[in-house]
Amino acid sequence: AQTVTQSQPEMSVQEAETVTLSCTYDTSENNYYLFWYKQPPSRQMILVIRQEAYKQQNATENRFSVNFQKAAKSFSLKISDSQLGDTAMYFCAFMTPGANSKLTFGKGITLSVRP
Amino acid sequence: ETGVTQSPTHLIKTRGQQVTLRCSSQSGHNTVSWYQQALGQGPQFIFQYYREEENGRGNFPPRFSGLQFPNYSSELNVNALELDDSALYLCASSLKGLAGQETQYFGPGTRLLVL
Repeated sequence: AQTVTQSQPEMSVQEAETVTLSCTYDTSENNYYLFWYKQPPSRQMILVIRQEAYKQQNATENRFSVNFQKAAKSFSLKISDSQLGDTAMYFCAFMTPGANSKLTFGKGITLSVRP
Repeated sequence: ETGVTQSPTHLIKTRGQQVTLRCSSQSGHNTVSWYQQALGQGPQFIFQYYREEENGRGNFPPRFSGLQFPNYSSELNVNALELDDSALYLCASSLKGLAGQETQYFGPGTRLLVL
């Protein structure tokens, strides 16, 4: 069974600064996807970024980038130039594509961006 | 906006009652997954529907059941409601069958309170 661990329950960052959110996972699969989702207080889960395990290059989406370390089973999210709208819960999630493509989520981390 | 809609947004029921939650998937998607999210926790996978068949199930009892319709919309039914069923119920749609396209996009959720 796959597990996803987010050990930091809360983090805080000053507006315009950079913050890194940590995530580790455990799996015996070789083909899988990793995701970061954002859930603001309005509660809609929004996809932030996706990484395919077979790709060595780290994914980037504007101010969001990941540090994917496959051997270490680590998948951290870096948010650059933090904005007040980044305040939300962030969830790391794992999926194996194919027959049963369920998402396995971590417990989440609450990120607060201070003005 | 993900194009995934859910109804109703909020619902209050009493123990022992039955409830039906609805989800319309994003245009072009053929798979719907349902998740239960307790307060302050990550979502837990309930089940997934693909081509109107259940395609994987999490650790939830049989009183949680579902349907998928020919237009790929879906229902989640919960019988004999218990207090612990109080949670945010999220549905997510995706496109199965095309490599790299199984990213799940979430609806806004239905908040269920069982009294």
